[in-house]
Amino acid sequence: GQQLNQSPQSMFIQEGEDVSMNCTSSSIFNTWLWYKQDPGEGPVLLIALYKAGELTSNGRLTAQFGTTRKDSFLNISASIPSDVGIYFCAGQGKNNNNDMRFGAGTRLTVKP
Amino acid sequence: NAGVMQNPRHLVRRRGQEARLRCSPMKGHSHVYWYRQLPEEGLKFMVYLQKENIIDESGMPKERFSAEFPKEGPSILRIQQVVRGDSAAYFCASSPNRGNYGYTFGSGTRLTVV
Repeated sequence: GQQLNQSPQSMFIQEGEDVSMNCTSSSIFNTWLWYKQDPGEGPVLLIALYKAGELTSNGRLTAQFGTTRKDSFLNISASIPSDVGIYFCAGQGKNNNNDMRFGAGTRLTVKP
Repeated sequence: NAGVMQNPRHLVRRRGQEARLRCSPMKGHSHVYWYRQLPEEGLKFMVYLQKENIIDESGMPKERFSAEFPKEGPSILRIQQVVRGDSAAYFCASSPNRGNYGYTFGSGTRLTVV
């Protein structure tokens, strides 16, 4: 099946620093999504990308759909304590079904 | 203005018992997806249902697991004869139509098998 490799696994940063994480796939995706999961909660959609090369921002978050359609990155600028959580990339392939494949997540810790 | 509602939030079962997890999608959403999350891991797709139909169950274990989404009422994920390895968080998501990738997730049911 489609494999998503997300890195880094975890990050410990100081408040105010910028953060970058990425996902790569062994195969092509039609859609890339980035979710954030707080402890004890379900994932919340942050950004959705639908076209190769697309660059989309949502406040301090910026994500890009790689031109090869096999990768995506998420940047968070000027991190704040509430950015703490697990960030997941997810990809949707060409199959007719509607399942999404998730990366293993990046655990972000922000020190005030 | 309810989102995706899952209950119970926490469920403890002894080995061999049955677990029933319920998911009520957002109002107006007719597509439901179930995912399983093991500790320190991402979400693994299990099954995709539309009202009264299973569309894709490629992620469901072949035995003991079943899912339904009846015409009336919530979607149910049923695990028979639970084993310790079934302990995980189970998340349900819904979307208004096929091809809408902005799934809305519930808060999950944390199943612990003792």
